[in-house]
Order: sequence, then C-alpha cells, then structure tokens
Amino acid sequence: GENVEQHPSTLSVQEGDSAVIKCTYSDSASNYFPWYKQELGKGPQLIIDIRSNVGEKKDQRIAVTLNKTAKHFSLHITETQPEDSAVYFCAASASGNTPLVFGKGTRLSVIA
Amino acid sequence: DAGITQSPRHKVTETGTPVTLRCHQTENHRYMYWYRQDPGHGLRLIHYSYGVKDTDKGEVSDGYSVSRSKTEDFLLTLESATSSQTSVYFCAIQDSGMSSYNEQFFGPGTRLTVL
Repeated sequence: GENVEQHPSTLSVQEGDSAVIKCTYSDSASNYFPWYKQELGKGPQLIIDIRSNVGEKKDQRIAVTLNKTAKHFSLHITETQPEDSAVYFCAASASGNTPLVFGKGTRLSVIA
Repeated sequence: DAGITQSPRHKVTETGTPVTLRCHQTENHRYMYWYRQDPGHGLRLIHYSYGVKDTDKGEVSDGYSVSRSKTEDFLLTLESATSSQTSVYFCAIQDSGMSSYNEQFFGPGTRLTVL
C-alpha cells in the first residue's frame, strides 16, 4: 500500500521568511496530493491540493510542487506570518475515492 | 464550514468499558471516515464508509467496529476500551462527485482518554 514520508517534523522560521515542507510517496498510482493545515484544537482543513497532471499550483502565498518521476511533492509558504503557525499534513491517494494516506505532520512555528 | 459534528467532544472512560463515538453530517456526502491522531503518527485511518451499510477497514482497525444505518450518521465503537486507544478521533466526510475529487472535510474531533 501507499506510504507517505514527511519532513521535517518541526520547522521554525522568522516572520517574513519562507517555509518548505517535503513529502515522498511510494505508490506510483497515486495522483492526488492535498495539504491540510491543523490549528490547535481543531480538525485539519484543506489548504491546497495538486493533481498529477500539473507540476505546480499556487494560491497567494502558498504553492505546491510535484515531481512524479521522483515521487515527491512540496509545500512552499512565502512571507510567513504568525497565523501560519500550525501543523501541516501532506497526503496522497490514487484516483477516484481511494482513502487518503497522510504523512506524520510538520509543526511549523513562525516567530515574530 | 462543512456541516459535520462529533459527539461527545471529550470522554474519559475505564479500561474494558464499551465506548461509542458519533459523527453526524448534514451535507449528504457519500463517504465518511474515522481517523485517530497520535503524536508521532499523524492521522491514521480506522474505518471508512462508502454508503449506508457499506464499510471497510483502514490501517488501524483492530479493536474498533463501525456502523452506518443512515447517510448522516457514522458510529465508531470500541467494544472494550484499552489504554492504547487513548487518542483524538476525527471524523471526515467526502463527496463522491468527481469535481470534489478526494477533498475531505474534518470534524472538530473527540478526545478520548482510557484509564
């Protein structure tokens, strides 16, 4: 089955700097890669996703890149702000409604 | 926010007692999921449902059972709770339409402590 590895497990950045979180996956059939943000005491919330037919997707300060050959994808947050502090999860799944497999999460701290 | 609630939000119980957690949705989504979240393990799938009375096991299903008699409710039961089942449990829902692909909406979670 699918296995998703996520790094780093913790990340501290200064406000205004960029943050990058990386994930690798094992199943070449996977073609959907979402990123979720979880704030303290809340459930995860989708922030951006990418499908295998594109290599990059941007939404304001957030971008995701995908390298299918190397089986890795990354989340990039630019101009970080204190409210970006949270736990971020990557995930992967094959087409249709195959259950998502999540990485173990990255705790991002943005220091003002 | 997606219409998804979980009850109870917090529960403390003793080893060996049965426990049932409820997930309720108002979105009429076909798919429902139960995850547990533990430090160092992220989100792990326990069971999921792809329709009324249609369920399947996830990665960590041992010690858990589920039922879905109505579209809106998905119950997770711990027949005899153990301390290793102390965790935060999240329910998620997902539409089956291709436009929504695999986007899942998560509930607020239930914190379960087994003493």
